[in-house]
Amino acid sequence: GENVEQHPSTLSVQEGDSAVIKCTYSDSASNYFPWYKQELGKRPQLIIDIRSNVGEKKDQRIAVTLNKTAKHFSLHITETQPEDSAVYFCAASLAGRRALTFGSGTRLQVQP
Amino acid sequence: KAGVTQTPRYLIKTRGQQVTLSCSPISGHRSVSWYQQTPGQGLQFLFEYFSETQRNKGNFPGRFSGRQFSNSRSEMNVSTLELGDSALYLCASSFSIDFSYNEQFFGPGTRLTVL
Repeated sequence: GENVEQHPSTLSVQEGDSAVIKCTYSDSASNYFPWYKQELGKRPQLIIDIRSNVGEKKDQRIAVTLNKTAKHFSLHITETQPEDSAVYFCAASLAGRRALTFGSGTRLQVQP
Repeated sequence: KAGVTQTPRYLIKTRGQQVTLSCSPISGHRSVSWYQQTPGQGLQFLFEYFSETQRNKGNFPGRFSGRQFSNSRSEMNVSTLELGDSALYLCASSFSIDFSYNEQFFGPGTRLTVL
């Protein structure tokens, strides 16, 4: 089955710096790649997603890039703020399925 | 629109008991997926229901089951509870009817503790 690896497991940055989280997937049939943010004690929230027919997508300070050949995708957060501190999960799903395979998560800490 | 709701929010059971968790999707969403979240295993897919039919199942034992009703509300059941079933159980709803849009929106979860 699909396997998603996520790095790093923890990331500490200064407020205003950029943060990058990387994920690789194993099944080339995967075609949907969402990113979720989960604050302590709260539900995972969808922050951005990308489909396999697109190489990059931006939404204000957040961007996601996808390299289908290398089977990896990345989350980029610019001008980080303390409220960006949370655990971020990447995920992938196979074409025709809604089941998400999640990465192990990255705990992002933004120091004021 | 109201978001995904789950009941109960917290549950304490003892080994050997069974439990039923409930999920109400966003209005108009017909797909409901269930996930288990634990510190050790992370977020793992349990199963997905669409139009009252189970479409996919994850790698969990048969003690885990679910169903979906005609109003898209879903329940999951865990029988013969084990200590390792302690987890946050999350459901997620999706609008798509043809897999063209896969966005899934999560509920707040049910925190199950097995003693």
